[in-house]
Amino acid sequence: GENVEQHPSTLSVQEGDSAVIKCTYSDSASNYFPWYKQELGKRPQLIIDIRSNVGEKKDQRIAVTLNKTAKHFSLHITETQPEDSAVYFCAATRNQAGTALIFGKGTTLSVSS
Amino acid sequence: GAVVSQHPSWVICKSGTSVKIECRSLDFQATTMFWYRQFPKQSLMLMATSNEGSKATYEQGVEKDKFLINHASLTLSTLTVTSAHPEDSSFYICSASVGMISQETQYFGPGTRLLVL
Repeated sequence: GENVEQHPSTLSVQEGDSAVIKCTYSDSASNYFPWYKQELGKRPQLIIDIRSNVGEKKDQRIAVTLNKTAKHFSLHITETQPEDSAVYFCAATRNQAGTALIFGKGTTLSVSS
Repeated sequence: GAVVSQHPSWVICKSGTSVKIECRSLDFQATTMFWYRQFPKQSLMLMATSNEGSKATYEQGVEKDKFLINHASLTLSTLTVTSAHPEDSSFYICSASVGMISQETQYFGPGTRLLVL
């Protein structure tokens, strides 16, 4: 079945450094790739997304890149801050069910000051 | 815009009872809503796709008779956990799709934490 692999599972960086989280997906029909940030006990918050007709998208300190040929996409956070500490999930659509999302296992990002 | 609410935010119940969770889109109409379950320190697992006016589509391994889903209007979907058992204790989160076909974005509700004693 459809699968989304996410690495690393944990990531620790110093404040100001960059953080990169990578995901691969198996369904070649996937066409939408959102990233969510989830703080403890709270709902996932959409932070950035990219669709299959675009290779890169940037929003201030956050960027996402997509390589459809290789079926992988990455989240890049620059100038990290302690408030960036959270669990980040990548996801990919499963076209057989419309916009149903299949999630990666998550990356726990810790930014130390 | 694109606000999704859930009620209740947490519930504690005895084993064998049924629990209903509501998911509402507050400022938009959602033809499709989704139900996810999240165990501690794990990812979100899609349980079912809820379509207004039709039967829900359940993921493999999810018992449709145990997790009853009703999507009676364009702003409300409900999930009923029937005869709940301790292993059903989890964080249940709904989401709703917003936008035109092929341009949808999914927004999540705040989640419902269920504890079955």
